[in-house]
Amino acid sequence: DAGVIQSPRHEVTEMGQEVTLRCKPISGHNSLFWYRQTMMRGLELLIYFNNNVPIDDSGMPEDRFSAKMPNASFSTLKIQPSEPRDSAVYFCASSLRGGGETQYFGPGTRLLVL
Amino acid sequence: GEDVEQSLFLSVREGDSSVINCTYTDSSSTYLYWYKQEPGAGLQLLTYIFSNMDMKQDQRLTVLLNKKDKHLSLRIADTQTGDSAIYFCAEKGFKTGANNLFFGTGTRLTVIP
Repeated sequence: DAGVIQSPRHEVTEMGQEVTLRCKPISGHNSLFWYRQTMMRGLELLIYFNNNVPIDDSGMPEDRFSAKMPNASFSTLKIQPSEPRDSAVYFCASSLRGGGETQYFGPGTRLLVL
Repeated sequence: GEDVEQSLFLSVREGDSSVINCTYTDSSSTYLYWYKQEPGAGLQLLTYIFSNMDMKQDQRLTVLLNKKDKHLSLRIADTQTGDSAIYFCAEKGFKTGANNLFFGTGTRLTVIP
């Protein structure tokens, strides 16, 4: 299996621009998680989905952030408009719910908003 | 709510043992995990332990769980420079309908040659 796939790996954009991060979970996994990692706040859970349905989005910082999972093999995290304080590494992870819940992480997208 | 705490830094000499500690507050934790993050990479699952166990060994890694004190530790025997990384402790509670993990702040392990 290829593991969790994220794209792009790096993104540099200007303040005010829309940013879309993409994730393909491990085939067969039914839970998907979006995290943000910064030096100041460490690893934060933004949102997670079970069977494509958002379960807990309490970690989404503001209305500028939105996430979708249109099918079992694809999810997006969108920031519109982006701000410099959104600069971070964004990780996607997937797991098999009911199977020990071990999460497998993607390589992350390193976002820099200028 | 759930709270997972770790010390931020640990330095050891190559060949020595490393012990990384973690405390958590959720008494209903079912699974506890150790993840490793190397520079520029995602989190990689190292090992996990079910809450009805008190020890698990996997080659150079030993996980100890003291459920009474809500204390988890990861011991790395014969630590190598390649073990330098950030180590995250995580726990999954038994909250109905929730299957997310709660992560600690991570412990940065530096191995001195």
